[in-house]
Amino acid sequence: DIQMTQSPSSLSASVGDRVSITCRTSQNINYFLNWYQQKPGKAPKLLIYSASSLQSGVPSRFSGSGFGTDFTLTINTLQPEDFATYSCQQTYNTPWTFGQGTKVEIK
Amino acid sequence: EVQLVESGGGLVQPEGSLRLSCAASGFIFSSYWMTWVRQAPGKGLEWVANVNQGGSERYYVDSVRGRSTISRDNAKNSLYLQMNSLRVEDTAVYYCARVSVATSIVTQYYLDYWGQGTLVTVSS
Repeated sequence: DIQMTQSPSSLSASVGDRVSITCRTSQNINYFLNWYQQKPGKAPKLLIYSASSLQSGVPSRFSGSGFGTDFTLTINTLQPEDFATYSCQQTYNTPWTFGQGTKVEIK
Repeated sequence: EVQLVESGGGLVQPEGSLRLSCAASGFIFSSYWMTWVRQAPGKGLEWVANVNQGGSERYYVDSVRGRSTISRDNAKNSLYLQMNSLRVEDTAVYYCARVSVATSIVTQYYLDYWGQGTLVTVSS
């Protein structure tokens, strides 16, 4: 199985900050990497697919980069509604696996 | 508008069974792979199973293989997860999600719509 390691597991930031979350995979997954946002008690929401493609309707302050084993989700100019948990997912092969999540909290 | 609505969760004793359902609307259900993803309380997301458009291809995470069956009824726009021999560690919110495809040189999958989830609690 492909292991997913996100870092950090949590972070504190202020509105207006630039935030970056890293996802590292245990083997090369090309660009088969997605990012999701999840708020408490809610279903996950797709932000980024194929490592860097922005899902329709997602604000442009979200961006993704990376290839192979190292990926980054960046949020430019953090907004109040962005405080949530972010998870990466690989769909290179089954079992599809997720990172453990990064909780972005208000400083 | 795409909608996915899960049902069928509840409290069940260890070794019991449960059948989860997911009612889909707002898209051509028979054109998409579908998937189940679960989340144990306070934990991360875990992919459970996939099924292709016609129901002939199914994939499972090791921890449920042999105990669970994913299926679909395209005439009813519905996805199912039959879970048997339930264990305490199966306790989770179960989400159904639509699998979409990004096709360039190769096919890449992502989950673009999710239901609100249904809670399964396995406890004596």
